[in-house]
Amino acid sequence: QKEVEQNSGPLSVPEGAIASLNCTYSDRGSQSFFWYRQYSGKSPELIMFIYSNGDKEDGRFTAQLNKASQYVSLLIRDSQPSDSATYLCAVKGGKLIFGQGTELSVKP
Amino acid sequence: EAGVAQSPRYKIIEKRQSVAFWCNPISGHATLYWYQQILGQGPKLLIQFQNNGVVDDSQLPKDRFSAERLKGVDSTLKIQPAKLEDSAVYLCASSYGSGGGWETQYFGPGTRLLVL
Repeated sequence: QKEVEQNSGPLSVPEGAIASLNCTYSDRGSQSFFWYRQYSGKSPELIMFIYSNGDKEDGRFTAQLNKASQYVSLLIRDSQPSDSATYLCAVKGGKLIFGQGTELSVKP
Repeated sequence: EAGVAQSPRYKIIEKRQSVAFWCNPISGHATLYWYQQILGQGPKLLIQFQNNGVVDDSQLPKDRFSAERLKGVDSTLKIQPAKLEDSAVYLCASSYGSGGGWETQYFGPGTRLLVL
């Protein structure tokens, strides 16, 4: 079992729709959870982090954490073509461990 | 503030050759990380420095990879000799403190290595 697992995608949504990205992790001791966005050929950039169960909202982005289910998700509301990128889930217990990423394509 | 700087941006070498990458973190950042990102995968931590000491190098292939961070500022990562499977993007990141909790890591632009 991979330590951090994401849907491989690609995930395609129409412009204006909600994109839902999911991530599961294996280490129950993990304490902090991050979502990074990576455009093709670019380096990862942090979108948001979450460390408490529940939802955390930042603009069009909402991160959801359920530690009992070892599950993290990212919702992107009103998706825009500029949101087309690979989204990386990263989990920190000791070190930061990344999932393989989910490619999102937002079609105009 | 200036971001994490890396050089070179691209490098093409033949297998068994050696190569070195350089990273200058954000000013004042104590912790520096080197990641390897193979195409289609997420970044994998190779080594983490706090100031000039190694915190974690458990995933560094020490028979061929070496890294140093002299004076606790910039860092070099070396591969000698390179193998075909080392073809990847090498990302440097830095964070202000020790890297714990929800502390943010800021990534440099990366060095894209192709081993032929």
